[in-house]
Amino acid sequence: DADVTQTPRNRITKTGKRIMLECSQTKGHDRMYWYRQDPGLGLQLIYYSFDVKDINKGEISDGYSVSRQAQAKFSLSLESAIPNQTALYFCATSDFGDGNEQFFGPGTRLTVL
Amino acid sequence: ILNVEQSPQSLHVQEGDSTNFTCSFPSSNFYALHWYRWETAKSPEALFVMTLNGDEKKKGRISATLNTKEGYSYLYIKGSQPEDSATYLCAPRRGSNYKLTFGKGTLLTVNP
Repeated sequence: DADVTQTPRNRITKTGKRIMLECSQTKGHDRMYWYRQDPGLGLQLIYYSFDVKDINKGEISDGYSVSRQAQAKFSLSLESAIPNQTALYFCATSDFGDGNEQFFGPGTRLTVL
Repeated sequence: ILNVEQSPQSLHVQEGDSTNFTCSFPSSNFYALHWYRWETAKSPEALFVMTLNGDEKKKGRISATLNTKEGYSYLYIKGSQPEDSATYLCAPRRGSNYKLTFGKGTLLTVNP
């Protein structure tokens, strides 16, 4: 079974709709991250969390919100989706420690029409 | 936002060729440098985490070196195989902040 899972894997929605992307992990890691990837760009950090009570903005947080419901779950919401939020979204986790190697989920491909 | 540059953006090599590519980043406040391998339709997977100037890491035919004073890292692949075809991402980490800043990657295609 995958250690980091994302649901849904693919989603097509319309402008203005509220969308939630979910991430779950069984690695027991404290740290979780949401990234988006656009063609020709690197992975851009949206939000990250180091603990259940900890939420931090990344480079491109506008238009997004997150919820860390439990150590194992980190959800990303688009309150009112717009077409330029069409992208591939990755969740990642890392352990507490200096290495901070990140483990990525399979990705969610979101299309906003 | 940290300026991370990877070069070349893409390259094509023949099976058996050795190749290398570069990651450049600001040297100030350096903490660690990560390399990831990202195959099409899959998730990025960690290759190396490097912290010390002069560090050299190796995994099979893939190795990496790190120069923290001048702010660059090289990734080498010896005797490339078609299964090495992927995008190779580098991501420096600055100070005690656990955030990584990813470069745009180098897309390697190995032709059989």
